[in-house]
Amino acid sequence: SQQGEEDPQALSIQEGENATMNCSYKTSINNLQWYRQNSGRGLVHLILIRSNEREKHSGRLRVTLDTSKKSSSLLITASRAADTASYFCATVGYPGNTGKLIFGQGTTLQVKP
Amino acid sequence: SQTIHQWPATLVQPVGSPLSLECTVEGTSNPNLYWYRQAAGRGLQLLFYSVGIGQISSEVPQNLSASRPQDRQFILSSKKLLLSDSGFYLCAWSVGVGGELFFGEGSRLTVL
Repeated sequence: SQQGEEDPQALSIQEGENATMNCSYKTSINNLQWYRQNSGRGLVHLILIRSNEREKHSGRLRVTLDTSKKSSSLLITASRAADTASYFCATVGYPGNTGKLIFGQGTTLQVKP
Repeated sequence: SQTIHQWPATLVQPVGSPLSLECTVEGTSNPNLYWYRQAAGRGLQLLFYSVGIGQISSEVPQNLSASRPQDRQFILSSKKLLLSDSGFYLCAWSVGVGGELFFGEGSRLTVL
């Protein structure tokens, strides 16, 4: 079953603009992770935020987590054409979950040069 | 450093034929291992995961099976492929549960 749902499904922006993707989930979580997937490739881990954290930064990435609303957002600042990819959130449920990651459907981001 | 290898990268098989996809991890011991399937333009569906040799948990009933004959080897199999088995199969590993996943490059299966 899918736990996370990303919004929007697709996003197209110009290079230099910021891109914001949202993720909603249904059950209590231990942590939430964001991954990136270039077309036809495996996924690459971007950032992990724990349930007791509200915000985390990594380079041009900023992730927020609101456990009361069961939602997270990923912000990519000053986007580049190379950021074109699909982005997925994944949650690790707690309690009653063995720790396996459940992925959402993803947001496809296109950054136009 | 740790690496993950997955093969074959692409596979075209007729309906009713067998399947074997293999995944190996190097540079770590006792990893948790996972098989995910991704339909075109969709998210990932967890198929199987393993916390140790011979220990396999299946997430969804299906035409596929998994085995872990060695600590760092994970195999996805089918005796008779169905059209609906087509997709992009991804192997991944993690240290313990709930942590970051490291993915292979995927195997694209087309069943005709």
